[in-house]
Amino acid sequence: QKEVEQDPGPLSVPEGAIVSLNCTYSNSAFQYFMWYRQYSRKGPELLMYTYSSGNKEDGRFTAQVDKSSKYISLFIRDSQPSDSATYLCAMSASLQGGKLIFGQGTELSVKP
Amino acid sequence: DAGVIQSPRHEVTEMGQEVTLRCKPISGHNSLFWYRQTMMRGLELLIYFNNNVPIDDSGMPEDRFSAKMPNASFSTLKIQPSEPRDSAVYFCASKEGQGDSPLHFGNGTRLTVT
Repeated sequence: QKEVEQDPGPLSVPEGAIVSLNCTYSNSAFQYFMWYRQYSRKGPELLMYTYSSGNKEDGRFTAQVDKSSKYISLFIRDSQPSDSATYLCAMSASLQGGKLIFGQGTELSVKP
Repeated sequence: DAGVIQSPRHEVTEMGQEVTLRCKPISGHNSLFWYRQTMMRGLELLIYFNNNVPIDDSGMPEDRFSAKMPNASFSTLKIQPSEPRDSAVYFCASKEGQGDSPLHFGNGTRLTVT
């Protein structure tokens, strides 16, 4: 079993839809949770970062962490075609050294 | 800042050949990471350096893989001899310090071994 599980999709939604992306994990030591966005033929870029449980909002993006269920989510409101990308969750037990474990990534397509 | 710079962008080689991938981290970043991305396995950490010293190389798949960081502005990942199953996109990333500063990725080297 992988430490981090993420449905690879692809996920296709119409413009303006609310998108929900999710990851589950097995290592209860994970404390730091991140979402990266990766455009085609580019490197991943950090989108959201959350420590421990709770919600974090940044514009149209909301990240949620439920440590009791070992489940994290990323919500995108009013999705735009420019949001079309692969979204990877990543997590770590400690930021010392920065060893991140990534999910496989979910490919999202937002249709105009 | 130009960001993390990787070269080459694409590499096509024959099985058995030596392959060297190069990375220039962002100036001032003291941690450097090599990742490999495939459809099947996603993004996997191969090795990371802190202040030019290898800290964790447990992700390096085999002895055919080696990485060096001779100075703060340059790192290499070498595969010798290469095999078709090494075909993947190899990313280099760097970060500042050891806290919650973000990881900055390069645009990767797409390696194809025939």
